[in-house]
Amino acid sequence: KAGVTQTPRYLIKTRGQQVTLSCSPISGHRSVSWYQQTPGQGLQFLFEYFSETQRNKGNFPGRFSGRQFSNSRSEMNVSTLELGDSALYLCASSWDSRGEAFFGQGTRLTVV
Amino acid sequence: DQQVKQNSPSLSVQEGRISILNCDYTNSMFDYFLWYKKYPAEGPTFLISISSIKDKNEDGRFTVFLNKSAKHLSLHIVPSQPGDSAVYFCAANGSGYSTLTFGKGTMLLVSP
Repeated sequence: KAGVTQTPRYLIKTRGQQVTLSCSPISGHRSVSWYQQTPGQGLQFLFEYFSETQRNKGNFPGRFSGRQFSNSRSEMNVSTLELGDSALYLCASSWDSRGEAFFGQGTRLTVV
Repeated sequence: DQQVKQNSPSLSVQEGRISILNCDYTNSMFDYFLWYKKYPAEGPTFLISISSIKDKNEDGRFTVFLNKSAKHLSLHIVPSQPGDSAVYFCAANGSGYSTLTFGKGTMLLVSP
């Protein structure tokens, strides 16, 4: 059974640009969540999608957005990139709201 | 306001001894708790979980204890092995969502 796949693994962008990250969940999992990991703040919740609907959102500015497709694959977008957006972005999928979340390897975003 | 706290940034243990990682939470709505292990530049790997209706859950060398009245949980690893060296995150879930609230992690170093 394939795990959670995130692409790309590494990305370098310039301030002001926008970026789209992709996540393919474990087959059969309907919930996809996104997290940002930085050295100072740890793992912080961005948003969660379930059956193509955003079910929960963390405390991040509107520059961070996401969506989920009918096959449960998800994308997150960050517009007008800032240096502080440099982080490891992690996607997690789960069968339902009470199950364990399984994480992908993450996308390392560097904003220069 | 940190709802999940791991007050020890690091812990050093000798191989074969017990490792005890601690976690405190403040939100009474949390009813499901998980421990994850993370290596650098990789996504967190699920270790073990516990529901608030239990006070103990075991899986091989890993045992999680939950003290609801103290809002405290701990992860015991017995015996500790050098391969256990990683950052351990405590996470909590509640309100029917898949959203996980993470602590900032404890780096465990198991020396031979």
